[in-house]
Amino acid sequence: NAGVTQTPKFQVLKTGQSMTLQCAQDMNHNSMYWYRQDPGMGLRLIYYSASEGTTDKGEVPNGYNVSRLNKREFSLRLESAAPSQTSVYFCASSEAGGFGEQYFGPGTRLTVT
Amino acid sequence: SQQGEEDPQALSIQEGENATMNCSYKTSINNLQWYRQNSGRGLVHLILIRSNEREKHSGRLRVTLDTSKKSSSLLITASRAADTASYFCATHGEGAQKLVFGQGTRLTINP
Repeated sequence: NAGVTQTPKFQVLKTGQSMTLQCAQDMNHNSMYWYRQDPGMGLRLIYYSASEGTTDKGEVPNGYNVSRLNKREFSLRLESAAPSQTSVYFCASSEAGGFGEQYFGPGTRLTVT
Repeated sequence: SQQGEEDPQALSIQEGENATMNCSYKTSINNLQWYRQNSGRGLVHLILIRSNEREKHSGRLRVTLDTSKKSSSLLITASRAADTASYFCATHGEGAQKLVFGQGTRLTINP
């Protein structure tokens, strides 16, 4: 089992460009999450999907959109990147109910110039 | 805003010593979890303690929870160089689908 995978690992964008971060999990989890982590900080929730077909905003959703493509995949889109979105992005998943432990991907390091 | 506040922000100890990290939070919780993050990597779940539990052990890890004080501590005994990492507490509010993370404690184990 690969667990949670994320692509790409690194990305550099210019201000105004768009991109989609991909996440997939092979653990048959219902809940999936997108976080961002800024230097010296904990994780902040951007969006989450409690189950296939549903998405909800987290703490810092502005400037992002998400798609729960199917049970395995949850993508994060930046429509018009800004320097403030320079961060490391983590995808995570958890079992039904979302109260248990979360399993994290390795992260995508994004720089917006 | 982040619910968990961790203390200390950084901790440096000698190999073999015990390391204690503390976490405080603000609202009622369903459970509290601790995660480890090695430099440049994703987070790894260490332990989950439910609101009706007071103490939990896993190998060299011991977690306590005091819901009356809204605080938790993580004790790592007999530390090793491989324990060098950042440690985060995260809380699950009652009825909430999501975790709220603290800012973390950076632990350095000196050989």
